[in-house]
This record gives sequence, structure tokens and C-alpha cells, in this order.
Amino acid sequence: DAKTTQPTSMDCAEGRAANLPCNHSTISGNEYVYWYRQIHSQGPQYIIHGLKNNETNEMASLIITEDRKSSTLILPHATLRDTAVYYCIVHNAGNMLTFGGGTRLMVKP
Amino acid sequence: GAGVSQSPSNKVTEKGKDVELRCDPISGHTALYWYRQRLGQGLEFLIYFQGNSAPDKSGLPSDRFSAERTGESVSTLTIQRTQQEDSAVYLCASSFRDYYYEQYFGPGTRLTVT
Repeated sequence: DAKTTQPTSMDCAEGRAANLPCNHSTISGNEYVYWYRQIHSQGPQYIIHGLKNNETNEMASLIITEDRKSSTLILPHATLRDTAVYYCIVHNAGNMLTFGGGTRLMVKP
Repeated sequence: GAGVSQSPSNKVTEKGKDVELRCDPISGHTALYWYRQRLGQGLEFLIYFQGNSAPDKSGLPSDRFSAERTGESVSTLTIQRTQQEDSAVYLCASSFRDYYYEQYFGPGTRLTVT
């Protein structure tokens, strides 16, 4: 699976959009980009995934660059409950996940 | 509907004892995964079950660790002769592999070996 690079931490004001970047320059053609998050003391939670097209669901939007070497997860209106560690993962679908360090997002009032 | 459940939520055991952790996946999910998460670290894959296929045990750290799954339902992770380095949160996840890629995680079992 391709390696990903994310900032260690980010802050966001409550009600504003949170934009979390991820670099995955070694991604291969059949690898998907997944985002999960882990709120303190809970199991990870799936957010969204995509291959090459931008995706949107009730939780977030995923923007993948045309060359697929990077992506951005967008939480359109961050709330205090969105404070968590966000993991960007690139791998072949269906099998085990490899979580790196992730980005610790702190949403502040 | 019901999510992935795990029991116990917390387990404190003495070094050298055996422990058994349980996972109930979401009904209809054919794939089941066990992960370990040490304090402040990412997830470490342990084992993967998919239907009736032979499990992928490539992540098990030693022969003290074993896991079983009954059909496409409950799974148990057993750690024999526990060591202090086994202290971690053990997470179980399941997925409906044929049509969905996302994994649904349980709340985890926090294991403390004293």
C-alpha cells in the first residue's frame, strides 16, 4: 500500500470548514483513498473513500487531485464533536488497513 | 441497526495468564478483522477472516496469539501467557466485503497486563 503524509495537527474554528490535506505521491492505479477518524477512546469510524472522482456524503467531501498524488478531506461545518484524529489511508479495497499517525484536528469554539 | 460489539470492554490480567476477547460483527458481514492499538499509536493489523477462506494470520505478533471465527459470526482472540507488552486496546472490525469497502469498528477491549 502507498505511504501517506499528513500534518500532525490542525485547528479549526467551530462552524468553519475544516480542510485536511493528505499526500500520497506513490499511489498506484488500483488503490483507493480512504478516510477514517478516531474520536478519543472510541474505535475508528469510516468517513469516505474514492478512487479518482471527487466524492461527497453526509459527513464530508473528498477532493482528489487529477494526478491522484494528493487529496483533501473537507468537513463543511466543523463542530466540537468533529475533534478527532483523522487518518488518510491508501490501499487496495477489502483488506486490512494500515493506519499512520494521522492529523489531530482540534475544533475550537 | 446493531454495530460491532466487543467484550469485555476492559480486562486487567496478571502476567502469564491467558485472556479471551470476543467480537460480534454486524450481521451479514463476511469479513472480520482484529487490530491492536497501543497508547498513542496507530492500528496494528493482527488477523483477517473472510467467509470460509483460510484466515490471514500474517499480523499475529507471536504464537501466543490465536483467533477463531465460527462461520460468519462471532470471533474470539486468545492471548496465552500474557506479557506486559500485550497491554493495548484490541479492536475488531467487520465489513460487507462484496459490495462495500468500509470497515465498521467496535469500541475495543482495553487489556492491561500487570
